[in-house]
Amino acid sequence: DIHLTQSPSFLSASIGDRVTITCRASQVISNYLAWYQQKPGKAPRLLISAASTLQVGVPSRFSGSRSGTEFTLTIGSLRPEDFATYYCQQLNNFPYTFGQGTKLEIK
Amino acid sequence: EVQLVESGGGLVKPGGSLRLSCAASGLTFSRYDMNWVRQAPGKGLEWVSYISSASNYIYYADSVKGRFTISRDNSKNSLYLQMNSLRAEDTAVYYCTRLPLTGPIGGLDSWGQGTLVTVSS
Repeated sequence: DIHLTQSPSFLSASIGDRVTITCRASQVISNYLAWYQQKPGKAPRLLISAASTLQVGVPSRFSGSRSGTEFTLTIGSLRPEDFATYYCQQLNNFPYTFGQGTKLEIK
Repeated sequence: EVQLVESGGGLVKPGGSLRLSCAASGLTFSRYDMNWVRQAPGKGLEWVSYISSASNYIYYADSVKGRFTISRDNSKNSLYLQMNSLRAEDTAVYYCTRLPLTGPIGGLDSWGQGTLVTVSS
């Protein structure tokens, strides 16, 4: 199975900050990496697919990138509605594994 | 607008069975590959199972293999998850999710609201 190591697990930041979350895959997964946002009591929402493709309706302050087996989600300038938990997921091979999540909290 | 509505969750004793359903609307259901994803209380996301549009490819997580069965009825726009030999560790919210027509590189682009399964004596 492909293991995804997401870091950090917790992130405390302020409104307007730029933050980066990293997801490292244990094997090559090409660009088959997605990022999701989840708020308490809600279903996850797809933000980015194919490592860097922003979904329709997702603000442009969100971006994704890839360098080998390391993927990053960057939020350019935090807004109050961005405080949530973020997950990466690989869809290159079954099982479609998720990272353990990053909880982004207000400082 | 795509809607995925799960049902069938509830309280069940260890060793028991439950069948989850997912009713899809706002899409040509028969064209899409579907998945179940679960989330234990306070924990992260876990992919559970996949079924291709015509049901000719099916995959499971090791944690449920041999106990859970995914199926679909394209004539009823519905996805199912038959869960047998349930264990306490199967307690979770179960989400019905869709892969886009572009395939897995597109991520899981639609999610239901989830249905809670609680396995407890």
